[in-house]
Amino acid sequence: EAQVTQNPRYLITVTGKKLTVTCSQNMNHEYMSWYRQDPGLGLRQIYYSMNVEVTDKGDVPEGYKVSRKEKRNFPLILESPSPNQTSLYFCASSLSPARPPNQPQHFGDGTRLSIL
Amino acid sequence: AQTVTQSQPEMSVQEAETVTLSCTYDTSENNYYLFWYKQPPSRQMILVIRQEAYKQQNATENRFSVNFQKAAKSFSLKISDSQLGDTAMYFCAFMNPRGAGSYQLTFGKGTKLSVIP
Repeated sequence: EAQVTQNPRYLITVTGKKLTVTCSQNMNHEYMSWYRQDPGLGLRQIYYSMNVEVTDKGDVPEGYKVSRKEKRNFPLILESPSPNQTSLYFCASSLSPARPPNQPQHFGDGTRLSIL
Repeated sequence: AQTVTQSQPEMSVQEAETVTLSCTYDTSENNYYLFWYKQPPSRQMILVIRQEAYKQQNATENRFSVNFQKAAKSFSLKISDSQLGDTAMYFCAFMNPRGAGSYQLTFGKGTKLSVIP
């Protein structure tokens, strides 16, 4: 079954304690990205990756890091989490948007992150 | 930065009726893509419909259709014969090239649609 898998689904942690949210897709997609969803703000892109070892900042990259060492994995790293990073996070993947026809994003089920 | 505006935070519609959700965007690009996503209470993001900017014909997927007005930078979603399962948050999204083969996806803030029995 084609899917994007995020772990953990829920996490409560404390300020300053490094954490990683994993994202894995089994569709051989080139494009992967991370979003955060906050009430009244919709989804905002944090980082995205066009392919292995190629990453770019989205609209809200501050306080986050990503890596793309393998095509299937795109972890989101919070080196020193702060309460303003409490949010619902989504990972998504697709074939390259440059390929015609344009490709829809496949989303993971979301990770609810609470930073105390 | 590109912007996507959904001017209706909440809407409601009677079951079996038709409803239109509005979306406008701001860009100087000529080649881009537009999407509508649905997020039910389960929080999953589900693609409803997509449109390539270079296509003049409006996209249609069963009960869902769009009215794409490129000059006006408008991309509204029409849901016909509304069903209870259509109750969800709907997000309009815009994907644009950023050069060197890079693409960014920008979402609107969403419209919460309630279908009333």
